[in-house]
Amino acid sequence: SQQGEEDPQALSIQEGENATMNCSYKTSINNLQWYRQNSGRGLVHLILIRSNEREKHSGRLRVTLDTSKKSSSLLITASRAADTASYFCATIRTGGFKTIFGAGTRLFVKA
Amino acid sequence: NAGVTQTPKFQVLKTGQSMTLQCAQDMNHNSMYWYRQDPGMGLRLIYYSASEGTTDKGEVPNGYNVSRLNKREFSLRLESAAPSQTSVYFCASRGATNRGLFQETQYFGPGTRLLVL
Repeated sequence: SQQGEEDPQALSIQEGENATMNCSYKTSINNLQWYRQNSGRGLVHLILIRSNEREKHSGRLRVTLDTSKKSSSLLITASRAADTASYFCATIRTGGFKTIFGAGTRLFVKA
Repeated sequence: NAGVTQTPKFQVLKTGQSMTLQCAQDMNHNSMYWYRQDPGMGLRLIYYSASEGTTDKGEVPNGYNVSRLNKREFSLRLESAAPSQTSVYFCASRGATNRGLFQETQYFGPGTRLLVL
């Protein structure tokens, strides 16, 4: 079974609004990552948050991690049409090697 | 640097035909991966190579074989294609730190779209 699962599966918002995506996972992890995939392209790494961190920022991205609830959220502020893409969370189990990806959230930002 | 490259970009096969998907990276990364992506399923790991000379099965290895030709190249072979293998295939690579620990970030190729009729 997949380690990470995103919620919602799809999200449609207006340009300028904030977009929030959530990820839940099942086991203890070393870190959690978020990737972005534009239509027809490969995944691109956005941000990594370690298990001892609670919040991290990168430009318009804000990621939180709650290890007690085994969940993470990705917030994109002031969204743009160019943010339209699929977003995936990915985890590596504590002591593990393989990266496990969730099914993704499809974000559509309307201009 | 080209990063991770994949060939071909698109391929149509008939059931039972064979083909090899090629992947190369120019980042001197130790580990390489093959994933397939199906609608609503995210990425599923087919095979990976933690370092040159080693390969291991992932989540969905049946029907596939791999070869880590050298540090740069990692190929995926379908010996007898089936319609269930219709998918988008992604190759990825990951580097190591100075102390030999793996880096967490993976770098992906643009993908190969495979249609098996």
